[in-house]
Amino acid sequence: EVQLLESGGDLIQPGGSLRLSCVASGFTFTNAAMAWVRQAPGKGLECVSIFSGNGVNTFYADSVKGRFIISRDNSKNTLYLQMNNLRPEDTAVYYCAKGWQYDSWGQGTLVTVSS
Amino acid sequence: DVVMTQSPLSLPVTLGQPASISCRSSQSLVYSDGNTYLNWFQQRPGQSPRRLIYKVSNRDSGVPDRFSGSGSGTEFTLTISRVEAEDVGVYYCAQGTHWPRTFGQGTKMEI
Repeated sequence: EVQLLESGGDLIQPGGSLRLSCVASGFTFTNAAMAWVRQAPGKGLECVSIFSGNGVNTFYADSVKGRFIISRDNSKNTLYLQMNNLRPEDTAVYYCAKGWQYDSWGQGTLVTVSS
Repeated sequence: DVVMTQSPLSLPVTLGQPASISCRSSQSLVYSDGNTYLNWFQQRPGQSPRRLIYKVSNRDSGVPDRFSGSGSGTEFTLTISRVEAEDVGVYYCAQGTHWPRTFGQGTKMEI
């Protein structure tokens, strides 16, 4: 059974940094593309970033390009999202999702950017 | 960016009756490999999203067969043959063909 467990969400001031983690199990992590998808309170879904399974390609939404960095440690089956220069509009639940087509999701971790 | 437009945004339904949601994309979702990467997700209240349908019409494992997807090119439909109480929630279409990936606005289904 695929399991994705996110952590690292917190209340952070504007301009601050935070690193989210997603520990994966139940599938071959090394071969899988992995994504971060966020959902602002009461809003819809936005794909923030995707990391290809071959470890070569990364993609970012324009809203986070230059501020967020996606990375992965295949030895730990873990996906990361380093978030810098955070803005209030980054406030959201951040989900880790498996695959280019998001076939499995974690439970999410809440990031609140506020002074 | 590819804009995904869902209708309706609010869908009152009756238990045991059919329901359908439309999704339109601003560009064709046919990828260079010949596949059409249009997915449907269900988000029940207080839960994470769950994929129901991938590549237009393929049901994910464990998804009841009352859910079906259809369409091609830029026009797609999610149909529930007989609505059950557990189907309450928000439904999103999403395209997985173009970058950036985009979702529809969501359709809130209420009994």
